[in-house]
Amino acid sequence: QKEVEQNSGPLSVPEGAIASLNCTYSDRGSQSFFWYRQYSGKSPELIMSIYSNGDKEDGRFTAQLNKASQYVSLLIRDSQPSDSATYLCAVITSGTYKYIFGTGTRLKVLA
Amino acid sequence: EADIYQTPRYLVIGTGKKITLECSQTMGHDKMYWYQQDPGMELHLIHYSYGVNSTEKGDLSSESTVSRIRTEHFPLTLESARPSHTSQYLCASSDPLRGGLDTQYFGPGTRLTVL
Repeated sequence: QKEVEQNSGPLSVPEGAIASLNCTYSDRGSQSFFWYRQYSGKSPELIMSIYSNGDKEDGRFTAQLNKASQYVSLLIRDSQPSDSATYLCAVITSGTYKYIFGTGTRLKVLA
Repeated sequence: EADIYQTPRYLVIGTGKKITLECSQTMGHDKMYWYQQDPGMELHLIHYSYGVNSTEKGDLSSESTVSRIRTEHFPLTLESARPSHTSQYLCASSDPLRGGLDTQYFGPGTRLTVL
């Protein structure tokens, strides 16, 4: 089992819809969680970080963390074609404090 | 906003050449990282450093070497480039004291092609 798992996609949603991206992690003691967006040929850029259980909202983006179920999700409201990218989930594991990236989910927003 | 720089942005070089990819950050971050990423594929950590004179190999075996003589500078060197080294190389830095949750910030990357 990979330490951080994401569905590779592609996830296709129509413009204006809500895109829901999911990530599960294996280390129950993990404390810090991140979502990055990576456009093709570019470097990852941070969208959101989340530390506590529950929801964290920033504009059209909402990160949701459920430590009991060991998953973190990213919701993108009013999806735009410019949101089409690969979304990487990252987790800092407990103990070793290693930064682990998932393989990413490719999102396609259809105009 | 992250201030992390990589040079060159693109490099095409012949087999057997020695190359150094530069990475600098102006944020005073203690932690720095090098990742390798092929197009459409996942990130692979190849080296990291938690401070000056501290370097460790990452999860992916790499023939490259790194040094950390100054906090702001973390160059990666390939002694003899081969076509199998063709990839995108991404540098990142983080600091839990300044970034809150030890957030990693990435440079723009160096796209290396070895002929």
